[in-house]
Amino acid sequence: DAKTTQPPSMDCAEGRAANLPCNHSTISGNEYVYWYRQIHSQGPQYIIHGLKNNETNEMASLIITEDRKSSTLILPHATLRDTAVYYCIVRVPNFGNEKLTFGTGTRLTIIP
Amino acid sequence: NAGVMQNPRHLVRRRGQEARLRCSPMKGHSHVYWYRQLPEEGLKFMVYLQKENIIDESGMPKERFSAEFPKEGPSILRIQQVVRGDSAAYFCASSLQLSTGELFFGEGSRLTVL
Repeated sequence: DAKTTQPPSMDCAEGRAANLPCNHSTISGNEYVYWYRQIHSQGPQYIIHGLKNNETNEMASLIITEDRKSSTLILPHATLRDTAVYYCIVRVPNFGNEKLTFGTGTRLTIIP
Repeated sequence: NAGVMQNPRHLVRRRGQEARLRCSPMKGHSHVYWYRQLPEEGLKFMVYLQKENIIDESGMPKERFSAEFPKEGPSILRIQQVVRGDSAAYFCASSLQLSTGELFFGEGSRLTVL
């Protein structure tokens, strides 16, 4: 699985868009980008994933650059409940083993 | 539709005792993963199981730790002769047999070794 680089921490004002970057310059053609988050003391929660096209769901949007070497997770209207550690993970889906390797992530703090 | 259920949520053991952590995957899920999170650290993969089979145990400590996922009943992570360094949150996740890469995590079991 490709290595990812994320800033260790970020702040965002409540109600604004939170943009979380992730660098994955060694990503290969068949690797997907996944985002999970872990709210304090809870189990990780899947957010979104994508291959090359931008993706959007009810939680967030995922913007992947054309060269796929980086991506941005966007929480459009951040709330205090979005305070969490966000993990960017790059991997090839393996229908026999969905093991994820978590890095250190970005600790996002939403400021009232 | 219940999510991944883990119990106990909190467990206290003295050094040398055994700890058993249970995980019931989501309905219809046949794949179970165990992760460990030491205090102030990231999540580390331990083991991946399917019914009655250990598929990947590359993250399991070589001694004292074992896992099973029997044909009937929950998956169990067993830690024998616990030491203080085993104090951590243990998370279980499950997935469908054919998955998009989404794992569903439980709320974790927090083990404290005195």
